[in-house]
Parts: sequence; C-alpha cells; structure tokens
Amino acid sequence: ETGVTQSPTHLIKTRGQQVTLRCSSQSGHNTVSWYQQALGQGPQFIFQYYREEENGRGNFPPRFSGLQFPNYSSELNVNALELDDSALYLCASSLGGSGSGTGELFFGEGSRLTVL
Amino acid sequence: EDQVTQSPEALRLQEGESSSLNCSYTVSGLRGLFWYRQDPGKGPEFLFTLYSAGEEKEKERLKATLTKKESFLHITAPKPEDSATYLCAVQAYNFNKFYFGSGTKLNVKP
Repeated sequence: ETGVTQSPTHLIKTRGQQVTLRCSSQSGHNTVSWYQQALGQGPQFIFQYYREEENGRGNFPPRFSGLQFPNYSSELNVNALELDDSALYLCASSLGGSGSGTGELFFGEGSRLTVL
Repeated sequence: EDQVTQSPEALRLQEGESSSLNCSYTVSGLRGLFWYRQDPGKGPEFLFTLYSAGEEKEKERLKATLTKKESFLHITAPKPEDSATYLCAVQAYNFNKFYFGSGTKLNVKP
C-alpha cells in the first residue's frame, strides 16, 4: 500500500508568479483535501475534491484552485502569489466524501513554498 | 463558529514525567475528533479518532479521551522520541472540512 506523495518538496517563487503542486493519494482513497500550514500554526482547510469535483472550500480566494484526476491524484494551483502564501502545503487523502463520512485524513509530507 | 483551542502551546517534560494535553472545541454537530502527531518539516501522522463522549483510545504511551466539550491526550512515562507537535482536529457533520488547533509542542528531555 503506497502512502500519499507530494511534489515538489520545496520550491521558491517570487510575488506575482504562479505555482502548481501535485499529490498522489493513498491507494484505495477517492477523496483529496488540501491544507495550508503557516509556521507555528495548525493546518487550514483550502478545499476538498471527491470524484473530480470540488466538494467543500475554506476561506481562500479564487486564485487558489485545484483539480482531481480520474486516478484520484490532484493538483493545487495558486496564481498571483503573495508573500503570505509562504507555507507548508499539505495534501491529505481519505475514503468517502460528499458527507458520507470521510474518516481519517492521511497526509503527505507536504510542499514547502517560499514566496520572495 | 466552529473552532478548536489547544493548550498548553508548549510543554517540556522530563523522561518518565506523565502529563496531559488539552483540546477544547466548539462545533455544530461533532462527526469526529482526531489527534495527529507532527514532526518538524513533516506531514501530520494520524493517531486516534474519537466519535462520542466517554470514548477512550490507547496506543503505547498515549491515551485519548473525549467529553462533550474537550478532549485530552494523556502521555504516560514519555520518552524523548515522543517529542513532537500534537494536533487536534474536529470534523462537523454538515461539512467535510477538518478544523485544526494550533497544536501543543511537546519536548521530552532524557
């Protein structure tokens, strides 16, 4: 059984640029969630994807967008990067979704984004 | 508004000195309360799920308990390898997102 994998592990961008982060979900999991974790804080929910559709969104602006593919892998895209976007971006996979009981989240190691 | 508060923010223990971490929550309809362990620069690692008041779960030196307003993570005779940040999260019935607290950073000295 393979766990959740994320890429890249680290990246540096400048303000105004765009970034794409990638996530492969754990084998057998059909739901992917993305979280942003600033230094010293808990993870903050960005959005969740279930069956290739967005299935819930937190308080993040539209420049944060995502995709889920038929194999349940996912991408997080952030446009017009701002300094405050610097954080650890975590992908989590789970079973269920759409209110049927998502159960536990299993996280990847994260992508550390630095915006200069 | 749904929220989670963890205390203390940081805790320093001597090896073998037992203690408890607190997670207070307000949520409109609790589906589940989750405990995670996070090592520096890593993603959170799942520890426990609790679903109803009175429920308890144990794993090695860790024991999690749940009431209607808070959860405790009891650490018995901790070892240096238990040093990490412990995160609490709740999930509400009417939404799929998890609300995380800011965590308790535990440091166990030999």
